[in-house]
Amino acid sequence: AQSVTQLGSHVSVSEGALVLLRCNYSSSVPPYLFWYVQYPNQGLQLLLKYTSAATLVKGINGFEAEFKKSETSFHLTKPSAHMSDAAEYFCAVSPENEKLTFGTGTRLTIIP
Amino acid sequence: DAGVTQSPTHLIKTRGQQVTLRCSPKSGHDTVSWYQQALGQGPQFIFQYYEEEERQRGNFPDRFSGHQFPNYSSELNVNALLLGDSALYLCASSADTWGAQYFGPGTRLTVT
Repeated sequence: AQSVTQLGSHVSVSEGALVLLRCNYSSSVPPYLFWYVQYPNQGLQLLLKYTSAATLVKGINGFEAEFKKSETSFHLTKPSAHMSDAAEYFCAVSPENEKLTFGTGTRLTIIP
Repeated sequence: DAGVTQSPTHLIKTRGQQVTLRCSPKSGHDTVSWYQQALGQGPQFIFQYYEEEERQRGNFPDRFSGHQFPNYSSELNVNALLLGDSALYLCASSADTWGAQYFGPGTRLTVT
């Protein structure tokens, strides 16, 4: 069975500072990994995905994530936070041909 | 290109009633998945439809059922509603088996 752990249910960073959202996964087979963002009262928007190609994945809005098999991690980063980045972020894992399992989410707050 | 659409946006039902939620997938997508997102939680997988058949199912009771039509659109039906069924119901579509899933805006169901 697969699972995802997101460390930190709330993260606050200053505008212009580095954003780091942590995600660790557990999977019995090589996983597909995803980051989604959810703005208030909206559905989920795909930020980026890892599907066993390059370990450093670049996504939309300046976000990127690095797959580290030895650490079973897939942390999301952005060099410089913008006010518009304030939202809920979900990490998800999907071993091939199985369901998508989400973490409990991290709420990102940007301090002006 | 229209994305995933869902209807209705909001719905209020009484305990014991039945509800039907609708989803139209993104153009070119043939697979539809449904998720339940309780307040403050990550989405939980309900089931997935492909070629008009339920392909996988999460840990939800038989009160939750679905259907996929030849045009790939889908319905989620919930019978004998409970207060605990109050949640945001998200539909996601994909073009291949557990490829990147694109989410609709969701239907907010409130059971009173």
